Amino acid sequence: DGGITQSPKYLFRKEGQNVTLSCEQNLNHDAMYWYRQDPGQGLRLIYYSQIVNDFQKGDIAEGYSVSREKKESFPLTVTSAQKNPTAFYLCASSILYSGRDTGELFFGEGSRLTVL
Amino acid sequence: QKEVEQNSGPLSVPEGAIASLNCTYSDRGSQSFFWYRQYSGKSPELIMFIYSNGDKEDGRFTAQLNKASQYVSLLIRDSQPSDSATYLCAVISGTYKYIFGTGTRLKVLA
Repeated sequence: DGGITQSPKYLFRKEGQNVTLSCEQNLNHDAMYWYRQDPGQGLRLIYYSQIVNDFQKGDIAEGYSVSREKKESFPLTVTSAQKNPTAFYLCASSILYSGRDTGELFFGEGSRLTVL
Repeated sequence: QKEVEQNSGPLSVPEGAIASLNCTYSDRGSQSFFWYRQYSGKSPELIMFIYSNGDKEDGRFTAQLNKASQYVSLLIRDSQPSDSATYLCAVISGTYKYIFGTGTRLKVLA
């Protein structure tokens, strides 16, 4: 079945550690996104990518890094520079923007990161 | 900063009633509008999308769009306890950016 796979579902990190969240999609989508969600909050964009080997910062990119070496994969690294990383992280994908017919975002199941 | 605003709720409705969820957006250039449902601890799932002014119906759900007023709403008819969730409004701003509201928490009382 086509979809987006995120791993791990739950992750615990000690302060000062970098952690990497995996995101793989088999929907053949060009665009991929990482969002962060805090309790009672909407989704905030961390990074997005519209093509392999290219990505752009979103609204809250500080303390995060990404790569896009393959169309299917868009891993997110939460670095030790991120001061408050405990959150629910959502990876998403979509077709490239095509005006009013642009489709929706498809989401993975999310990864919940807790800093100990 | 482009924004999408929603009342955080909770909005409580009795089972079988109509739930009305509202959303306003600031970017007049937005062309695509989405409603997602998110259960606690889960990822959002698409309920409805709408591109044109007016109403769009899908089963018990109706999305309404008024671009002049920059307003989009979601009506849920015959509300069920299983509809209890947070409903996120999202718009596309520019050529890539999906902007989300903070969500409205709906409680359907049995």
